[in-house]
Amino acid sequence: GAVVSQHPSRVICKSGTSVKIECRSLDFQATTMFWYRQFPKKSLMLMATSNEGSKATYEQGVEKDKFLINHASLTLSTLTVTSAHPEDSSFYICSVSRPEAAQGTQYFGPGTRLLVL
Amino acid sequence: AQTVTQSQPEMSVQEAETVTLSCTYDTSENNYYLFWYKQPPSRQMILVIRQEAYKQQNATENRFSVNFQKAAKSFSLKISDSQLGDTAMYFCAFMGSGGYSTLTFGKGTMLLVSP
Repeated sequence: GAVVSQHPSRVICKSGTSVKIECRSLDFQATTMFWYRQFPKKSLMLMATSNEGSKATYEQGVEKDKFLINHASLTLSTLTVTSAHPEDSSFYICSVSRPEAAQGTQYFGPGTRLLVL
Repeated sequence: AQTVTQSQPEMSVQEAETVTLSCTYDTSENNYYLFWYKQPPSRQMILVIRQEAYKQQNATENRFSVNFQKAAKSFSLKISDSQLGDTAMYFCAFMGSGGYSTLTFGKGTMLLVSP
């Protein structure tokens, strides 16, 4: 069964509004979650590493004030796209490392399609 | 920084045949992990196979196997007895062995399996 869930699966919003995307690990505790962005027919680009109880680590070029990450519990990380603009339209995917899985293995959520009008 | 290169943007194969997807990488690390992920039209990322660099034996998972050549920094994926459900984008990925290592993906290869 699914290991990681994301909500919503797709969202359409107006330019200037904020959108929150949730990522949940369903049957285990995850101290670390990852957020990726994927443009159509392109590869996954890591945006940030979300650490439970501490600040997220952002990749170079990712605006931390625009893409707010909160990892408030061991099963939930949220990504908030603040003041969204059409160029933020993309597919956002989270992933989790399971403690008992082979080292380095990540399990991915189903993704969230964001369209900013 | 590590880089992962997939030189085949698209590949086609007929059902029941065998196909090999190429992947090369660049790293200065000695211990690391390599992965092949599959992304079907649903866009759900699915782990296909995993290889540990310090293991010489090539990983296999049913119809999927890899040819890992550490000296050449090559990590190709062979799909035997291709099935229509294998149609997907395939991503090769690298991860170092350090505690804060993250996945680096190649650009992907779109595989189309036809009847």
